[in-house]
Amino acid sequence: QKEVEQNSGPLSVPEGAIASLNCTYSDRGSQSFFWYRQYSGKSPELIMSIYSNGDKEDGRFTAQLNKASQYVSLLIRDSQPSDSATYLCAYGKGRRALTFGSGTRLQVQP
Amino acid sequence: DAGITQSPRHKVTETGTPVTLRCHQTENHRYMYWYRQDPGHGLRLIHYSYGVKDTDKGEVSDGYSVSRSKTEDFLLTLESATSSQTSVYFCAISESRSGEANYGYTFGSGTRLTVV
Repeated sequence: QKEVEQNSGPLSVPEGAIASLNCTYSDRGSQSFFWYRQYSGKSPELIMSIYSNGDKEDGRFTAQLNKASQYVSLLIRDSQPSDSATYLCAYGKGRRALTFGSGTRLQVQP
Repeated sequence: DAGITQSPRHKVTETGTPVTLRCHQTENHRYMYWYRQDPGHGLRLIHYSYGVKDTDKGEVSDGYSVSRSKTEDFLLTLESATSSQTSVYFCAISESRSGEANYGYTFGSGTRLTVV
């Protein structure tokens, strides 16, 4: 079992719709969770961090964490073509370096 | 990215030659990391550093070594490059942590390395 599982996609949504990206992780001791956005040929960019169960909202982005289910998700409201990218999920535990998933490719259709 | 630069941005090298990639930061962050990114594998940790002369291995460290003699510089060396090391290499930095919290990384722009 991979430490971080993400559907590789592509996930295709129409412009203006809600995009839902999901991630499961295997380490129950994980304490911090992150979503990164990576445009093709570019470096990953941190867009959301979440540390506690529940929802965290930042603009059009909402991260949801459920530690009991070992599940973290990212919702993107009012999706725009500029949101088309690969989204990487990552988790951290104590001093350990972050562990990343392989990413989900999102395509927003105009 | 502001505060962190990688060099070179692109490199083509021959099998068996040593190669050194440089990561330079101006943020005075204590933690630095080297990852490689390959299709289907995502980002995989090669080596990391928690401070000057304090480094450790990641999950894919074979064939790589690192050095950190100054806070701002973290060097990755491929001792004898092989075709399997063709990849995109990213350096990342993070702030010192408070307790168990990890504040996430800032990545450099990456180095695209091709070993022929």
